[in-house]
Amino acid sequence: GQQLNQSPQSMFIQEGEDVSMNCTSSSIFNTWLWYKQDPGEGPVLLIALYKAGELTSNGRLTAQFGITRKDSFLNISASIPSDVGIYFCAGQRTQGGSEKLVFGKGMKLTVNP
Amino acid sequence: DGGITQSPKYLFRKEGQNVTLSCEQNLNHDAMYWYRQDPGQGLRLIYYSQIVNDFQKGDIAEGYSVSREKKESFPLTVTSAQKNPTAFYLCASSIGTGPSNQPQHFGDGTRLSIL
Repeated sequence: GQQLNQSPQSMFIQEGEDVSMNCTSSSIFNTWLWYKQDPGEGPVLLIALYKAGELTSNGRLTAQFGITRKDSFLNISASIPSDVGIYFCAGQRTQGGSEKLVFGKGMKLTVNP
Repeated sequence: DGGITQSPKYLFRKEGQNVTLSCEQNLNHDAMYWYRQDPGQGLRLIYYSQIVNDFQKGDIAEGYSVSREKKESFPLTVTSAQKNPTAFYLCASSIGTGPSNQPQHFGDGTRLSIL
């Protein structure tokens, strides 16, 4: 199955810095989702984007649904140690009459206090 | 509290054995999903179910089976035909799979290992 191109694969930053990550695809998606996963746990939904061009914030997180519907980015501002984890993007589209999710491989974030 | 419960947290399988992973949700969601996650990889869809008594194969269904006899339950069986079953298995649910585009929410996963 197809996977999204998520970059960077990992980042090491100092506490207080901002971080950006993005996902691209050759396919169009109806919805973009961003999840965070802590070790040994399931992904937790951070932000959901439903319209091309949409810019949405959730606290220190900001995400945008690309105008072409083939990409999305997530920004985290003023990082804190609890931001550590793996961030996944997921694109949702209709396939075979059902809504399917396609995931990126994840971006591992390390925040040095 | 409403949520998705997966059990057990850790599971060990001997060669040639079938094992069943449990997933229960009390969110009244119609759709449920099973994903497999390998180190450094994104999630890959094994099976999904849009409604009770109906389920569809995902991208990597070979060696797995599911049932959906109740709305709140979607157990996954890893059969002996699955030659590389060691992975982290995640169950998810959503209100539906229609164009309302409701996001999927995940359980905390089951880690399956081969003895």
